[in-house]
Amino acid sequence: AQSVTQLGSHVSVSEGALVLLRCNYSSSVPPYLFWYVQYPNQGLQLLLKYTSAATLVKGINGFEAEFKKSETSFHLTKPSAHMSDAAEYFCAVSPRGAGSYQLTFGKGTKLSVIP
Amino acid sequence: DTAVSQTPKYLVTQMGNDKSIKCEQNLGHDTMYWYKQDSKKFLKIMFSYNNKELIINETVPNRFSPKSPDKAHLNLHINSLELGDSAVYFCASSPSTGVNTEAFFGQGTRLTVV
Repeated sequence: AQSVTQLGSHVSVSEGALVLLRCNYSSSVPPYLFWYVQYPNQGLQLLLKYTSAATLVKGINGFEAEFKKSETSFHLTKPSAHMSDAAEYFCAVSPRGAGSYQLTFGKGTKLSVIP
Repeated sequence: DTAVSQTPKYLVTQMGNDKSIKCEQNLGHDTMYWYKQDSKKFLKIMFSYNNKELIINETVPNRFSPKSPDKAHLNLHINSLELGDSAVYFCASSPSTGVNTEAFFGQGTRLTVV
């Protein structure tokens, strides 16, 4: 069974500082990996996804993530935090191959941005 | 155009009632899902429905039943509502094949059972 672990349920950064949200996955075969963002009282929006050989993935709003097979990690980064980045971030995994792409989510990391 | 739409957005009801949440997607996807987000923001899959094949998370009580009249719709029926059913329920859809896979989510339905 696949799973993801997000280290840190709450991360606070200053505006303009580096954002680093950690995600580690557990899977016998490298899965598809995703980062979703949830703004208050809203649904989930895809930030970026890893589905191919390109290990550095760029997403929306200046976010990117690097897939590291040796570390089974898919950490999310952004060079400079903006107040509008304050939200809940979810790492998710789904199995490769055809069929239902059921997502398994991590427990989420709440990002706070301090002015 | 909203890709995945859920109705209602808010639902307040009494214990013991039966309620339904509707979901529609206009993306042409083959697979639809229902997720439950609890008060701690934890998202858990309840059901996935792919070309009339239903995969049920065995931890979901049988008071919950998905119904799919067609590929674009997956409704969630809940019987005999309990206080613990209070949560935000998200519908999602995704293609069932291909490498450009991702799940698109609706805005959620906040269910409050009183």
